[in-house]
Amino acid sequence: AQSVTQLGSHVSVSEGALVLLRCNYSSSVPPYLFWYVQYPNQGLQLLLKYTSAATLVKGINGFEAEFKKSETSFHLTKPSAHMSDAAEYFCAVSDLGGTSYGKLTFGQGTILTVHP
Amino acid sequence: DTEVTQTPKHLVMGMTNKKSLKCEQHMGHRAMYWYKQKAKKPPELMFVYSYEKLSINESVPSRFSPECPNSSLLNLHLHALQPEDSALYLCASSQDTFYQPQHFGDGTRLSIL
Repeated sequence: AQSVTQLGSHVSVSEGALVLLRCNYSSSVPPYLFWYVQYPNQGLQLLLKYTSAATLVKGINGFEAEFKKSETSFHLTKPSAHMSDAAEYFCAVSDLGGTSYGKLTFGQGTILTVHP
Repeated sequence: DTEVTQTPKHLVMGMTNKKSLKCEQHMGHRAMYWYKQKAKKPPELMFVYSYEKLSINESVPSRFSPECPNSSLLNLHLHALQPEDSALYLCASSQDTFYQPQHFGDGTRLSIL
């Protein structure tokens, strides 16, 4: 079964600084990976997805993620943080077969705080 | 604007009440999902409907009863809930269940007295 580990439950950055949120996955086959963002009192919004087409994936709001098979990683980055980026971020992997196909397995989440 | 609409946004109910949560999407998606999310935790999958048929039930207690009347609607019927069932209930949809990203509604905040 697939699994996802997000390193760091809280990340704090200054406005304008680089954002780096870490995600490592475990999968026996090439995975489908997603990053979601959740603002307070809202549902999850898809930031970007990796579906094996390109290793560098660009998403919304200036975020991007790079799939590195050798490191089993899919870290999320943004060159310059904005106050509006403060939220909780979830990395997720899609189950690839059997009776659980389509099931998303989420990481524990990383809360991003942006300081002025 | 969210494309998955959930009603009500907030619900307070007693342990003996019967209520329903509703979810609607008009994106032509053929898979729909119910998740439960406790504070500071990731969403936990409860049910998956694929082409209006229940395809995954994650061993959810029978006091939660899902229903998919048509491809656009998903209901979650609640009966005799416990205080530990208080949570944010999220609905999501995707084109189908094969590797497609899921689109989430804003959820129903449920409180059990």
